[in-house]
Amino acid sequence: EAGVAQSPRYKIIEKRQSVAFWCNPISGHATLYWYQQILGQGPKLLIQFQNNGVVDDSQLPKDRFSAERLKGVDSTLKIQPAKLEDSAVYLCASSIGRLYEQYFGPGTRLTVT
Amino acid sequence: AQSVTQLDSHVSVSEGTPVLLRCNYSSSYSPSLFWYVQHPNKGLQLLLKYTSAATLVKGINGFEAEFKKSETSFHLTKPSAHMSDAAEYFCVVMEYGGATNKLIFGTGTLLAVQP
Repeated sequence: EAGVAQSPRYKIIEKRQSVAFWCNPISGHATLYWYQQILGQGPKLLIQFQNNGVVDDSQLPKDRFSAERLKGVDSTLKIQPAKLEDSAVYLCASSIGRLYEQYFGPGTRLTVT
Repeated sequence: AQSVTQLDSHVSVSEGTPVLLRCNYSSSYSPSLFWYVQHPNKGLQLLLKYTSAATLVKGINGFEAEFKKSETSFHLTKPSAHMSDAAEYFCVVMEYGGATNKLIFGTGTLLAVQP
């Protein structure tokens, strides 16, 4: 079975620019997660979707970050405008349901200069 | 709030020798605990999980972990290290919150395996 796909794999932007990341979860997985992993730290959950609805976005910096999951399948995470401290790997994960194993994509490495 | 503390940021072993990666947890209820592995430029992969069944949990690639409530520990072990085990390892606790749940990751332990 195909895994979680993410693109792009790498992105370099200047501060104050905008950037978007795309995630395609495993087919049939209802729950989708976006994590931020800063260098030297463990991943931190940014937002969790159940189908196309948000169930937890308590740690999403909503003044600059936004995410959507149209039709309950693919998802995009956007940062506008980017700051230097947004440099990190952004991981997407999916699971059959919220209590089931999460499968992670390879991540998108963002560098903000 | 749930949390995990990984006691070593770096561990170096020789190939063929035992591996011990240490993790302590803090939880207000019976925890669900996990170990994930992250190889360079690859996604996180679940090694094993504890969900209040047997305290000794066996995972993939010869890894196992023992849940010790009295010590609030969930250390990861492997009898004999292989070069392919070199990676970063994360101890993780699940935090339940009604309709939501989230994985709380430790800061990671980088395992180096010397030939």
